[in-house]
Amino acid sequence: DIQMTQSPSSLSASVGDRVTITCRASQAISHYLVWLQQKPGKAPKSLIYATSNLQSGVPSRFSGSGSGTDFTLTIRSLQPEDFATYYCQQYNSYPYTFGQGTKLEIK
Amino acid sequence: QLQLQESGPGLVKPSETLSLTCTVSGVSVSSYSHYWGWIRQPPGRGLEWIGKIQYGGTTFYNPSLKSRVTMSIDTSENEISLKLSSVTAADTAEYYCARQSFDGTLATFYFDHWGQGTLVTVSP
Repeated sequence: DIQMTQSPSSLSASVGDRVTITCRASQAISHYLVWLQQKPGKAPKSLIYATSNLQSGVPSRFSGSGSGTDFTLTIRSLQPEDFATYYCQQYNSYPYTFGQGTKLEIK
Repeated sequence: QLQLQESGPGLVKPSETLSLTCTVSGVSVSSYSHYWGWIRQPPGRGLEWIGKIQYGGTTFYNPSLKSRVTMSIDTSENEISLKLSSVTAADTAEYYCARQSFDGTLATFYFDHWGQGTLVTVSP
């Protein structure tokens, strides 16, 4: 199985900050990566697919980049509604696997 | 508007079979344009992919669960179902159904919509 490792595991930031979350795959996955956002008690929401493509309705302050084994999610100018847990997920090969999550908290 | 709604017993006894249904509204499951998947999340923990199914019956299961998992599609009810046999406490989790759509650029399917989830507890 491909192991997905996110860093940091948690992050404190303020409204208006720019934050970056990293996801590393244990082997190359080309661009087959999704970023998910999950708020407490809620279902995950897909933000980005194919490493850098925004899902419909996702604000443009979210962006993704990378390829191969190293990927990043950047949130430019944090908004109050962005404080949540973020997961990466690879779909290059079965079984699909997820990162352990990055909890973004308000400083 | 697409909606996915999971349903099923919230409590299952050890060694029994967990059965869940995902009712899909806003799009027909009778299409090769999508896959329909199940993912679970134990309380306070991360996400685990269980498997997926496409109209026509093509399935892919997580090898760690494959011996216990069965997925099916009911086109008359526009539903997806999950059965997980011989459950233990380790199967206690929030279970989500999710849709995969086709990305023409990478020629593959990716998750784009998730249901709200349903909590299943395995306990005597």
